[in-house]
Amino acid sequence: DAKTTQPTSMDCAEGRAANLPCNHSTISGNEYVYWYRQIHSQGPQYIIHGLKNNETNEMASLIITEDRKSSTLILPHATLRDTAVYYCIRRTGASGYALNFGKGTSLLVTP
Amino acid sequence: SAVISQKPSRDICQRGTSLTIQCQVDSQVTMMFWYRQQPGQSLTLIATANQGSEATYESGFVIDKFPISRPNLTFSTLTVSNMSPEDSSIYLCSVVPGTTAGEQYFGPGTRLTVT
Repeated sequence: DAKTTQPTSMDCAEGRAANLPCNHSTISGNEYVYWYRQIHSQGPQYIIHGLKNNETNEMASLIITEDRKSSTLILPHATLRDTAVYYCIRRTGASGYALNFGKGTSLLVTP
Repeated sequence: SAVISQKPSRDICQRGTSLTIQCQVDSQVTMMFWYRQQPGQSLTLIATANQGSEATYESGFVIDKFPISRPNLTFSTLTVSNMSPEDSSIYLCSVVPGTTAGEQYFGPGTRLTVT
């Protein structure tokens, strides 16, 4: 069972950067790191993914350590609408794309 | 991307009855998944429903309890059979559009309450 470890909850002030850590110390070379979020009463939403290089898109940045044992999702300017549960997921292309959701981090963005 | 709708959005059902949940996608997709999210919990994969093949169920889920149909590339149904209060959950379908690098898109979910 491919697991990741995330803090249960975090707070962030509106307008500040939200840095969400994820530990995946047993990740193998062909596993990607995916981030999804689930806003209350909605289906999960894809945010970003990466293999070993840092990635950035319009939603967030993903910083992966050189040894790939951990990563950080960065929301550069958090808004109240970013309040959600954030899931860090390991996946290989050979797994058929099914996602193994852990408990995630509940992020609360405060005014 | 893909836009996914589910019907019904919510329902309250009596013990022992069955409910069929529909999942409609606005584009043709090969891979489709059904997940369950029990109250206060994370998502758990029920089954993979690829068009043209029998659904593949995860450990703890069986076809008699959760029969799935996948008649074409834009539609699927999940039936929750002989329901009990323990089946009260949100049921979500998701798809992987063929042109994306593994991104998965989720429907809004069906909130089921069994009394």
